[in-house]
Amino acid sequence: AQKITQTQPGMFVQEKEAVTLDCTYDTSDPSYGLFWYKQPSSGEMIFLIYQGSYDQQNATEGRYSLNFQKARKSANLVISASQLGDSAMYFCAMREAPNDYKLSFGAGTTVTVRA
Amino acid sequence: EAGVTQFPSHSVIEKGQTVTLRCDPISGHDNLYWYRRVMGKEIKFLLHFVKESKQDESGMPNNRFLAERTGGTYSTLKVQPAELEDSGVYFCASSLTPGLTGGAYGYTFGSGTRLTVV
Repeated sequence: AQKITQTQPGMFVQEKEAVTLDCTYDTSDPSYGLFWYKQPSSGEMIFLIYQGSYDQQNATEGRYSLNFQKARKSANLVISASQLGDSAMYFCAMREAPNDYKLSFGAGTTVTVRA
Repeated sequence: EAGVTQFPSHSVIEKGQTVTLRCDPISGHDNLYWYRRVMGKEIKFLLHFVKESKQDESGMPNNRFLAERTGGTYSTLKVQPAELEDSGVYFCASSLTPGLTGGAYGYTFGSGTRLTVV
């Protein structure tokens, strides 16, 4: 079964606008972590933001924020004030259980920021 | 500090040949992971080293793939013989602790090796 689902293959956003990337996950483990990564055309995977399952508040990192809705098992990434440099592929990932170190990834969402 | 380094960045080989990918993790990171993304599909876990020991190799697709980590430092992933379906991007990541949180304790990925088997 798919553990991470990203339903948006591609999105266009106008520069300076906000964009929300959807991510839903499936786990029965009460302890898990959710990650978002950015992959620009150069290929590297850049860590953006992390949300732990027990975190009381939504994670924020600069222009990135995570809309964590635990009951709905969703962890959407919000990028505010989009910039041309935000054009990239974005991956949602999950790590389950304290002793299971591997990440499960979604299929990714390609974001294109228009000037 | 230097990040996770992978090379080559690109490799094009013929079916049946052997290819060896290398990953140099961040110095001091005991945990090293290999992932791959086959074209159009999700990034999939291959295996996890703790120092020189294989902690989890449940994602290795078959016995044509051999991963080693010499002395707990750099790691190699050898594909022998390569098949067409092995084409994709192979990522290496390392972590200080077992990825308990994000940020400094999370996973740092390399830029990947794009493997094309023709």
